Amino acid sequence: IAGITQAPTSQILAAGRRMTLRCTQDMRHNAMYWYRQDLGLGLRLIHYSNTAGTTGKGEVPDGYSVSRANTDDFPLTLASAVPSQTSVYFCASSQGYNQPQHFGDGTRLSIL
Amino acid sequence: GQNIDQPTEMTATEGAIVQINCTYQTSGFNGLFWYQQHAGEAPTFLSYNVLDGLEEKGRFSSFLSRSKGYSYLLLKELQMKDSASYLCAVRDLDYQLIWGAGTKLIIKP
Repeated sequence: IAGITQAPTSQILAAGRRMTLRCTQDMRHNAMYWYRQDLGLGLRLIHYSNTAGTTGKGEVPDGYSVSRANTDDFPLTLASAVPSQTSVYFCASSQGYNQPQHFGDGTRLSIL
Repeated sequence: GQNIDQPTEMTATEGAIVQINCTYQTSGFNGLFWYQQHAGEAPTFLSYNVLDGLEEKGRFSSFLSRSKGYSYLLLKELQMKDSASYLCAVRDLDYQLIWGAGTKLIIKP
């Protein structure tokens, strides 16, 4: 079934550790996005990529990095996790920047 | 700054009609989206408005007034499975989505 796969589904991580959240899509969408979702707040954009080889910063990029080596994969890395990064992380993709975004099932991350 | 306002929570009865409002103030406007999100799941796309007026899709309709910075999502013939959060998002001048915090809709029998 075509779609977006995120891994892991959930993770508990000690503060200071490095963590990479994986995101893979098989729809050949050009644009990909990483959001975090916290209770009482809307989805907030962390980083995005309009096409393979390019990335951009969203609303809350500090403490996170991304890469887009190919069309399908868009990993998100926390270089040194802090408790404020405890959240649900969603990866999304769209055919173009003016098309609806399709979301993965999310990664629930807890930083202790 | 950029702001999307939606009611935090609404309650409605099975079989009834409910209207969820969204007002926005953003740097530019390039379309408005509505998404549905069941608890613990990913958001799923419902509707898209870029021009003023009503877009109808089955039991769901979405309305836009760009001059008023206002949209609503209308859900008819409510079913228990419609219990979810409904997210309003506006595409801004940079073509990024600005998201509201969502409206939790509770359907009672």
